[in-house]
Amino acid sequence: QQQVKQSPQSLIVQKGGISIINCAYENTAFDYFPWYQQFPGKGPALLIAIRPDVSEKKEGRFTISFNKSAKQFSLHIMDSQPGDSATYFCAASKSGQNFVFGPGTRLSVLP
Amino acid sequence: ETGVTQSPTHLIKTRGQQVTLRCSSQSGHNTVSWYQQALGQGPQFIFQYYREEENGRGNFPPRFSGLQFPNYSSELNVNALELDDSALYLCASSLNPAGNNEQFFGPGTRLTVL
Repeated sequence: QQQVKQSPQSLIVQKGGISIINCAYENTAFDYFPWYQQFPGKGPALLIAIRPDVSEKKEGRFTISFNKSAKQFSLHIMDSQPGDSATYFCAASKSGQNFVFGPGTRLSVLP
Repeated sequence: ETGVTQSPTHLIKTRGQQVTLRCSSQSGHNTVSWYQQALGQGPQFIFQYYREEENGRGNFPPRFSGLQFPNYSSELNVNALELDDSALYLCASSLNPAGNNEQFFGPGTRLTVL
């Protein structure tokens, strides 16, 4: 019940395209859903996050869509750029504790 | 304002040894969480410290232990190292455990156990 599933494992997108990564969770007590971006040799950096009382949140080219009834959330990267090539992790937590991360999606944006 | 820093950057140990990893939290943050990230996987929560007390623990054995100091910096200690302990160890700090929950990660310590 603590698991967060993430798909796809890897994703190749052309420059200017839309990248979509999906996550699903089981624990309905989770109340915070962040997405992290990680470059090789670096720690994860927070991209965008959402709480379950909101169905969508947009920050620049990044959008989270949240479906509480389906227990799913997704990250959309619009106008994908080669600089977006990185590994993306979804995560979930309850009251800021015990963050559970998905296994990650390796995104490659072709120039 | 400085970000989260970790030391050392890399470390090589042999099986059975003990290791101590260090983390300095971001200025003003009183909560530190530690994660283990195996190659090609997502970070796994080890434990969290809030105001020098353990404030939650993941599914890790007791040989993983920690400390938080009055300046909110933190240590992760691992005893009786095993080959499977080879991983990137990440520290993350936040303003408090149940605030906006935003965590800031350090660059990690790469531990290799031979």
